Amino acid sequence: DTAVSQTPKYLVTQMGNDKSIKCEQNLGHDTMYWYKQDSKKFLKIMFSYNNKELIINETVPNRFSPKSPDKAHLNLHINSLELGDSAVYFCASSLGLSANTGELFFGEGSRLTVL
Amino acid sequence: GESVGLHLPTLSVQEGDNSIINCAYSNSASDYFIWYKQESGKGPQFIIDIRSNMDKRQGQRVTVLLNKTVKHLSLQIAATQPGDSAVYFCAEKAGGSYIPTFGRGTSLIVHP
Repeated sequence: DTAVSQTPKYLVTQMGNDKSIKCEQNLGHDTMYWYKQDSKKFLKIMFSYNNKELIINETVPNRFSPKSPDKAHLNLHINSLELGDSAVYFCASSLGLSANTGELFFGEGSRLTVL
Repeated sequence: GESVGLHLPTLSVQEGDNSIINCAYSNSASDYFIWYKQESGKGPQFIIDIRSNMDKRQGQRVTVLLNKTVKHLSLQIAATQPGDSAVYFCAEKAGGSYIPTFGRGTSLIVHP
């Protein structure tokens, strides 16, 4: 029973296209995140939502738009894809901002390749 | 700016050896630290955490040491096994921050 699931696992597309990655967590967590991992394995926070409200929006192009229909889902839509968007995108969740632990639970990742 | 970093990008060990993965941090306000393990093709998984009021914490075959004086964190893995081969990340979190900041990973390669 997957705790944090994201789809699709692989995505290959042409420059200029628009694509979405979906994420769902069944842990009952309040906070969800999107991270981008580059080819050197560096993990960079993109967005964080707490109870459907945006709390963190790092310096990310506005071509990236997260949407949280409810606290169990955080989807990522990317417009006008560029070569530099190629990366592995990880969704994660955590108990909540006031929790005593900062442990993140990650999905398996979605590998985006822009041609 | 302040950052979390690692001294060694790749560490190769023999099966059965003990492994030590190091992490330097520079944010003196950080009070919570986490180690994650990322296996190939998977997302990072929590290994162990430590708060700044401790200098050592032990888990199953793993020990995390925190030296606040020199802002250094290490993960020790006892009797390393091939299944320990992965990329290991340290992450830090300051009290006023919502999210942890990840350092550069260290790739641990365990040779049978």
